[in-house]
Amino acid sequence: AQKITQTQPGMFVQEKEAVTLDCTYDTSDPSYGLFWYKQPSSGEMIFLIYQGSYDQQNATEGRYSLNFQKARKSANLVISASQLGDSAMYFCAIGNAGNNRKLIWGLGTSLAVNP
Amino acid sequence: SAVISQKPSRDICQRGTSLTIQCQVDSQVTMMFWYRQQPGQSLTLIATANQGSEATYESGFVIDKFPISRPNLTFSTLTVSNMSPEDSSIYLCSGRQGTEGYTFGSGTRLTVV
Repeated sequence: AQKITQTQPGMFVQEKEAVTLDCTYDTSDPSYGLFWYKQPSSGEMIFLIYQGSYDQQNATEGRYSLNFQKARKSANLVISASQLGDSAMYFCAIGNAGNNRKLIWGLGTSLAVNP
Repeated sequence: SAVISQKPSRDICQRGTSLTIQCQVDSQVTMMFWYRQQPGQSLTLIATANQGSEATYESGFVIDKFPISRPNLTFSTLTVSNMSPEDSSIYLCSGRQGTEGYTFGSGTRLTVV
């Protein structure tokens, strides 16, 4: 069975600073994908970044990067130059390879960006 | 990536009634996933819907309570039946196309009174 652990219920960061949101996972599957989503107070789920287990490079998407440490089974999200609009819930999820596999979700981290 | 239109965006319903939530995708997706998110909680998968076959329900969810329709690769509905206040949640549909992230509908905020 797969499992995601997000140990930070809440985080604070000053505007323009970087912040790391932790995510560790457990899986026995050799091929899997890791996802990060942002959920603002409006409730929509916004896809941020994806890392495949066989990807050699850490994924990056604009101000988002994923610090993927496969041996430690961690997939931390790094947000650089935080903005007030980054205040939201952030969820980490894991799924098997392929397009039609369900995701297992962490409990989320609430990020507040202070001006 | 696919764009999913979900409606209604919110509703307030009387206990004992049913609500059907619709998700329309702008392109074909093989599987659609239906989630429930209770206040302040993470996402819980209700069921996975494939075209032309009965949905696969997760533990704790049954077809009589959450019937799902998937008539084609661009449309799905979830019905919340015989509602009680405990069903008050956000309901989300999701699908994936290609190798990008799973796309979500904008969610349905359901309040049962």
